[in-house]
Amino acid sequence: ETGVTQTPRHLVMGMTNKKSLKCEQHLGHNAMYWYKQSAKKPLELMFVYNFKEQTENNSVPSRFSPECPNSSHLFLHLHTLQPEDSALYLCASSQGGENTIQYFGAGTRLSVL
Amino acid sequence: AQKVTQAQTEISVVEKEDVTLDCVYETRDTTYYLFWYKQPPSGELVFLIRRNSFDEQNEISGRYSWNFQKSTSSFNFTITASQVVDSAVYFCALSEVSGSARQLTFGSGTQLTVLP
Repeated sequence: ETGVTQTPRHLVMGMTNKKSLKCEQHLGHNAMYWYKQSAKKPLELMFVYNFKEQTENNSVPSRFSPECPNSSHLFLHLHTLQPEDSALYLCASSQGGENTIQYFGAGTRLSVL
Repeated sequence: AQKVTQAQTEISVVEKEDVTLDCVYETRDTTYYLFWYKQPPSGELVFLIRRNSFDEQNEISGRYSWNFQKSTSSFNFTITASQVVDSAVYFCALSEVSGSARQLTFGSGTQLTVLP
């Protein structure tokens, strides 16, 4: 079993759909992160949670709504997305803040039609 | 604001060649951390190394080595005797210890292709 698991691995959705991405970490970490990776662009940090509390929100549009019910699970709820939101969404976790080593999942490849 | 530059977008080498991936960073802090990650086609970023700004010793791990030079703000990564399995996108990243910019800032990555 890998340390950070993301589901689904692939997702195709229309602009009016509502879907959720799930991330689960089995490493006992207390911080979790959502990143967006678009083609030809650096990874963009979207949200950070420390001990279930959101500590960073990098000006992400409200059509992305994170949820962290406990330190092991992180969700990203999606609604009324745009085609430019198509990307690889990566989840990571770490023991402590952003200066510690972050461990990543394999990502969800999202296509918005 | 911190910034990480990986000027090499794509590199192709033939198996068994040595290859160096460049990373140049900018930060105003004196205390910071530098990272390298590998992203194979499967998508998952794999942690390779973390180095803090006070430790300028070069590090070797098997075929991998890292050259940290504060004077030139560089943290370069060398793969010796490259193998096809080394083909991946490699990311350099910077994290500041203090200040408002607490993000892990990634470079745009270098796509390494090792040909058989």
